[in-house]
Amino acid sequence: DQQVKQNSPSLSVQEGRISILNCDYTNSMFDYFLWYKKYPAEGPTFLISISSIKDKNEDGRFTVFLNKSAKHLSLHIVPSQPGDSAVYFCAANGLTGGGNKLTFGTGTQLKVEL
Amino acid sequence: GAVVSQHPSRVICKSGTSVKIECRSLDFQATTMFWYRQFPKKSLMLMATSNEGSKATYEQGVEKDKFLINHASLTLSTLTVTSAHPEDSSFYICSASPTGRWQPQHFGDGTRLSIL
Repeated sequence: DQQVKQNSPSLSVQEGRISILNCDYTNSMFDYFLWYKKYPAEGPTFLISISSIKDKNEDGRFTVFLNKSAKHLSLHIVPSQPGDSAVYFCAANGLTGGGNKLTFGTGTQLKVEL
Repeated sequence: GAVVSQHPSRVICKSGTSVKIECRSLDFQATTMFWYRQFPKKSLMLMATSNEGSKATYEQGVEKDKFLINHASLTLSTLTVTSAHPEDSSFYICSASPTGRWQPQHFGDGTRLSIL
């Protein structure tokens, strides 16, 4: 049962344009959402997060939008840069009694082309 | 920002060997740390939650006698893969977060384990 889904395994964007990565979730108990960037053979790097009391959070080139009614979140990167090429994972957390346990999506490979 | 250090980054050893991987939170205390495993081109799979001063909580299907977890201090958790076999070859990653709600988990750089 995949509670966090990233339906696009890959995305290709031109440098300077906007990258939009999408994520859907099914568990209404999730109340904290995160985006991580990952290069091969490295651990994920935290990018940005949003709690369920907000619908938008912005940090530099990265903005995360949360639509609770649709159980959908998205990460916008603008302008996209070649160094942004990586796998992006969304993750969700809820108070399940197990601490801040994260449930990860399957990832989207972003390629930013020159 | 919060830093998590994982060591070693790569291990190659013979079948039957036990391998210990360390995970340290360098600039914050972590009562809880997490151990993940990643298969090629797959998402991160949570193996267990490491709790300081108490037993780890294992996810369904993860053998606790195979993957021993010790969280002896607020800054160190270890994962020992006992009597490792080729099927245990994988990328293992730990994470930790500062105490409090809505604190992101920060990850170590992972350990590539190869069992010959």
